[in-house]
Amino acid sequence: AQSVTQLDSHVSVSEGTPVLLRCNYSSSYSPSLFWYVQHPNKGLQLLLKYTSAATLVKGINGFEAEFKKSETSFHLTKPSAHMSDAAEYFCVVRDRDNYGQNFVFGPGTRLSVLP
Amino acid sequence: DSGVTQTPKHLITATGQRVTLRCSPRSGDLSVYWYQQSLDQGLQFLIQYYNGEERAKGNILERFSAQQFPDLHSELNLSSLELGDSALYFCASSSNTDTQYFGPGTRLTVL
Repeated sequence: AQSVTQLDSHVSVSEGTPVLLRCNYSSSYSPSLFWYVQHPNKGLQLLLKYTSAATLVKGINGFEAEFKKSETSFHLTKPSAHMSDAAEYFCVVRDRDNYGQNFVFGPGTRLSVLP
Repeated sequence: DSGVTQTPKHLITATGQRVTLRCSPRSGDLSVYWYQQSLDQGLQFLIQYYNGEERAKGNILERFSAQQFPDLHSELNLSSLELGDSALYFCASSSNTDTQYFGPGTRLTVL
């Protein structure tokens, strides 16, 4: 069965500094991996996804993530944080060979951006 | 805007009551997923439908049920409501690309 660990429940950075949100997963099959962002009182928005093509995936708003199979990681990064990046971020795994099974969400990391 | 709509936006009701939440997926998406998000449990997968048939079940209580209609919209029915059922309920839809698109959610408050 799949599982997702987000190593930090809360990350705080200053505006203009890099962002690193960590995600580790376990999966029995070749996984699809996703990052979603949720702003306060809003639905979840897809930031980026990995589905077996390039291991470095670029998403919206300057975010990117690198799939590292040997480390079972899919960390999310951004070179320079903006105030509007303050939100909750969810890492998600889905086993691609097990079509129809549910998506598994990590517990979320709350990103705070300080002025 | 994801293209997924949910109604109502807010719902306030009393313990023991029954409510129905509605979701319309993106045009052409056959899969609909329901999630519950609460402060203590995080985001929990409830159930998935694909083209009218139940496809996968998660942590859905027996008091909860769902269905997907021929026009592909879906309803989540919550009955014998308890205080602990207060949460945000999200619907998501997907096509064969396996990316989920989320609706804005329904906030349920049980008093």
